[in-house]
Amino acid sequence: GQNIDQPTEMTATEGAIVQINCTYQTSGFNGLFWYQQHAGEAPTFLSYNVLDGLEEKGRFSSFLSRSKGYSYLLLKELQMKDSASYLCAVSDSNYQLIWGAGTKLIIKP
Amino acid sequence: GAVVSQHPSWVICKSGTSVKIECRSLDFQATTMFWYRQFPKQSLMLMATSNEGSKATYEQGVEKDKFLINHASLTLSTLTVTSAHPEDSSFYICSATTGTDRRVFSYEQYFGPGTRLTVT
Repeated sequence: GQNIDQPTEMTATEGAIVQINCTYQTSGFNGLFWYQQHAGEAPTFLSYNVLDGLEEKGRFSSFLSRSKGYSYLLLKELQMKDSASYLCAVSDSNYQLIWGAGTKLIIKP
Repeated sequence: GAVVSQHPSWVICKSGTSVKIECRSLDFQATTMFWYRQFPKQSLMLMATSNEGSKATYEQGVEKDKFLINHASLTLSTLTVTSAHPEDSSFYICSATTGTDRRVFSYEQYFGPGTRLTVT
């Protein structure tokens, strides 16, 4: 079966750095996405990785290792507004998105 | 650009009644729209894919007679939850894409703000 695993919840301090991990087992791979979702709102696109390595975009970076079925989202200089759920999703061999359950990130002052 | 709206943003209905949720692409033509359901602390679950002018394709386990989807134009898709029950209470999210190529779908999905349905 297809599976996306990410921690349920993480807590970090304002101004700090946090890494949210995602491991996946899917039938085929056509890219991995990270989305941010605030409570009661729809997901918003953060990043897309299809090749191994690190993609940096401002305070957010995303890393992919296809051989390990592993990705992480790195958030730097955390702000209170970064409190949200972060969803990992993989595009499988049929280009269908398989979603993880999301990691709820709590930022403390 | 690429804005998707949903209406209503939240709705409370009585068990046994039907509820219609609208999904509109405001500044682009959405060839394909997707309907998702999300229960608290769970992942997004794709319910169905709809293409303008044709019947929706439902995912396994989703009752097509209960969740009626109509994609009548390139800017509007509707989801009607018929004979709603408390277990249908959930967060329903639509997304839209301009492409017909499945390779484009996952990269260019634009999400609506979601509709919170509560069935009492």
